[in-house]
Amino acid sequence: DVKVTQSSRYLVKRTGEKVFLECVQDMDHENMFWYRQDPGLGLRLIYFSYDVKMKEKGDIPEGYSVSREKKERFSLILESASTNQTSMYLCASSRPLGVMDGETQYFGPGTRLLVL
Amino acid sequence: KNEVEQSPQNLTAQEGEFITINCSYSVGISALHWLQQHPGGGIVSLFMLSSGKKKHGRLIATINIQEKHSSLHITASHPRDSAVYICAATPTLNYGGSQGNLIFGKGTKLSVKP
Repeated sequence: DVKVTQSSRYLVKRTGEKVFLECVQDMDHENMFWYRQDPGLGLRLIYFSYDVKMKEKGDIPEGYSVSREKKERFSLILESASTNQTSMYLCASSRPLGVMDGETQYFGPGTRLLVL
Repeated sequence: KNEVEQSPQNLTAQEGEFITINCSYSVGISALHWLQQHPGGGIVSLFMLSSGKKKHGRLIATINIQEKHSSLHITASHPRDSAVYICAATPTLNYGGSQGNLIFGKGTKLSVKP
C-alpha cells in the first residue's frame, strides 16, 4: 500500500516564524503535491513537483516555497507565517501521467496549522 | 464559474437511504475522481473513471462524457458513510493538465443519521 506521511498532525506557530511542513512517500512516486484546504474553498494547489529539484507553481503559491532534494520527500516552507495561512495542509503523491494508475493521487493525513 | 461543481453542498440522510451526489465539469478531462474525507482530514481515493460505471461494495460511480457529468451513489447508507465526498478532474493537456494536477470540486458534506 502507498503510504504518504506528514511530519505533524497539528502545529501552532507565531506570526513571522519560518515554518517547515514535511511530506514523505514510500512508493517511489515522481509527482508530489502540496494543497491547502479551507472551508468553502475546497482544496487548492500550492505547488507541485514532478521530479527531484523540479517544482511548479500551483494556483496559490504566494507566501510559500518548496524543496525537493530527494524523490521521497517534498517540503513546504512558509517563509514568514501569517494568520491567513492558518489552514489544513495536505500532501499527495502520484505516478506520472501515462503510466498505470498515473492519475490517482495518494494523500497524507494532513497538517492542521494555526498561526497566531 | 468553477470548472468542477458539486451538488448538493450538504446532505443529511437517514440510515438505509439511497444517496446521490452530483458532479459537473466544464473542461476536457482524461479522468474523473471521487474522493472521501473523514473528519480528521485524511483523503482516500474511491474511484477513478473515464467512462461508464464502477462499483465497489455499496458505492457506485457513473460518468456521462457527453454531458460532462458524474454521479456517486451510496446504497443502503450507514452512519459510517458520513464524510465529505470530493469530485476532482484530471484536465487534458489543452485544459492545463500537465503532470496529473487535479481540479477539485468544493465537496459535499454527507451526514447519515441512525
